[in-house]
Amino acid sequence: KQEVTQIPAALSVPEGENLVLNCSFTDSAIYNLQWFRQDPGKGLTSLLLIQSSQREQTSGRLNASLDKSSGRSTLYIAASQPGDSATYLCAVANSNYQLIWGAGTKLIIKP
Amino acid sequence: DGGITQSPKYLFRKEGQNVTLSCEQNLNHDAMYWYRQDPGQGLRLIYYSQIVNDFQKGDIAEGYSVSREKKESFPLTVTSAQKNPTAFYLCASKTQGVAGANVLTFGAGSRLTVL
Repeated sequence: KQEVTQIPAALSVPEGENLVLNCSFTDSAIYNLQWFRQDPGKGLTSLLLIQSSQREQTSGRLNASLDKSSGRSTLYIAASQPGDSATYLCAVANSNYQLIWGAGTKLIIKP
Repeated sequence: DGGITQSPKYLFRKEGQNVTLSCEQNLNHDAMYWYRQDPGQGLRLIYYSQIVNDFQKGDIAEGYSVSREKKESFPLTVTSAQKNPTAFYLCASKTQGVAGANVLTFGAGSRLTVL
């Protein structure tokens, strides 16, 4: 059974720092992996989607990598800003397009 | 603007009552989903529907019911049989059948509290 883990559960860093959020999964037979952002009390917004055949995806200051063999993905945020404060969730899709979710990392960027 | 509308945003329920959460989308998406979110846990799938008049149970369907009479609408009823219904409920949709088109669009969520 696929399990998705995100560590740490919470992270606080000063504004301007580059940072990395981690997502690990137990079964490497994935279809794709997605990173989402959730603001407090709100729905989720898709940030990046990496297909199983890809190694990374980039959008602006965000870069997501995927290493299926080690069961890991990282979300790199460059030059962090207070507006980046949110909870970041990763989700792994299996071949039936069913998503298995991590519990998220709550990120706080201090001005 | 296209999107998903969930209502109400906040809902309070007494024990023993059924409540229905609304989810409406104008994205012309085929598939719709209901997730439950609890603190410290990943999202858990309650029910999903890939086409009108058809739906399937997710991982935690007990105590919930749904209907899909229209493409745009996928209401969720939380019944009195759900023993721990206090949670944040998220509705999502996506287009179907295109390889890689697996990106979900989410509503803003409904927070249900049992008094």
